[in-house]
Order: sequence, then structure tokens, then C-alpha cells
Amino acid sequence: EAQVTQNPRYLITVTGKKLTVTCSQNMNHEYMSWYRQDPGLGLRQIYYSMNVEVTDKGDVPEGYKVSRKEKRNFPLILESPSPNQTSLYFCASSLRGAWTKNIQYFGAGTRLSVL
Amino acid sequence: GDSVTQMEGPVTLSEEACLTINCTYTATGYPSLFWYVQYPGEGLQLLLKATKADDKGSNKGFEATYRKETTSFHLEKGSVQVSDSAVYFCALRFYTGNQFYFGTGTSLTVIP
Repeated sequence: EAQVTQNPRYLITVTGKKLTVTCSQNMNHEYMSWYRQDPGLGLRQIYYSMNVEVTDKGDVPEGYKVSRKEKRNFPLILESPSPNQTSLYFCASSLRGAWTKNIQYFGAGTRLSVL
Repeated sequence: GDSVTQMEGPVTLSEEACLTINCTYTATGYPSLFWYVQYPGEGLQLLLKATKADDKGSNKGFEATYRKETTSFHLEKGSVQVSDSAVYFCALRFYTGNQFYFGTGTSLTVIP
């Protein structure tokens, strides 16, 4: 079954304690992306990756890091989480193409609370 | 800058009522347009899409037409069901770009 898997689904942590949210897809997609969803702001793109070892900043990259060492995995790293990073996070993936009509496939989300 | 503006919710309708959720966009080029749906507790799923002017996307009774002259992509359904209760997001992506831009989402609740 084609899917995007995020872990953990729920996480409560404290300010400053490094954490990683994993994302894995089994569709051999080149493009992967992280979003955060906040009330009244919709989805905002944090980082995206066009392929292995290729990553770019989205609209709200501050306080986040990503890596793309393998095609299937795209972890989101918060080196020193702060309360303003409390949010619902989604990972997504899609096929790549210059004349893109691409559909993004989303994971089920990770709800993060930073105390 | 490039952006998507959706009508604010929440929207509450009775079953079998007509639905319209407005979406307009600001873009310097010619984007592809999408509607995504998010059911409670789940991630987003593509509902429909349109890639050029005058294209009509349709799925599950929902429709949206890409109107270049009004820079709009309104979502419509003639008769909603309780199972349509969800949050709906309008989004755009450019052919040559790598970023998606989403609207703020519109929550729809359909009551029996």
C-alpha cells in the first residue's frame, strides 16, 4: 500500500530538548516536504527536498533542520524546540516533474507540544 | 507575493444543501490549482485539481473551474452529505516551482 508514514503521531517535550520527527514514503518519490498547520494560518511549508542530498527552505524554516540521505526518508529535526513550534506537522511526498501536475501524498500528521 | 485566499469558516450546512467555498489566488505565473480535503484526525488528501485556464476538476460530486480572468478556483457541490464534513484547503503550485502554497482552510460541517 502506498503511504507516507510519520512518527511519532503525538509528542510532548520541553523547551530545548532536541527531537526528530521521522517521515518515510514507499512510493519512490523524489519530492518530499514538511508543513506545519496552525489555526488561522493553514499549512505553511517548512522545508522541501527535490531529491537525495537536495533540500531547500520553504516559508517558515527558522528553528528547523532536515536531511535527505536516502530517497525514502526525510526527517525533521528541532535542535532546540521552543513553545512557538507547538503545532501539527505533516510530511508529504510526490513525483517530481518540471511541468508538474503532481499530487502530494500526506502523512497522518504529528501533533507536537513544546512546554 | 504568491498566495491563496479562502473564504473563512466555519461553514455549517444541512444535508442536501448546495456548497460553495471561495478561493482566489495571487500569482505571477500560471499555477496548477488544487483542492485538498482533511477529514478529522487524518492528513490531507487530494480532492481535485486543474492545471490550466478553463479546466474543470471534479471528484466525488465536487467541482472547481480554473478561472484565469478572475484568478479563482471556487469549490462547489450541489448536494452535500454528512460524510463531506471536513476541512477543505485550496492550494497552488507553479509548473517550474517547487513550493506549494495553501489557503488557511475552510471547515465544513454538514448536519442531518
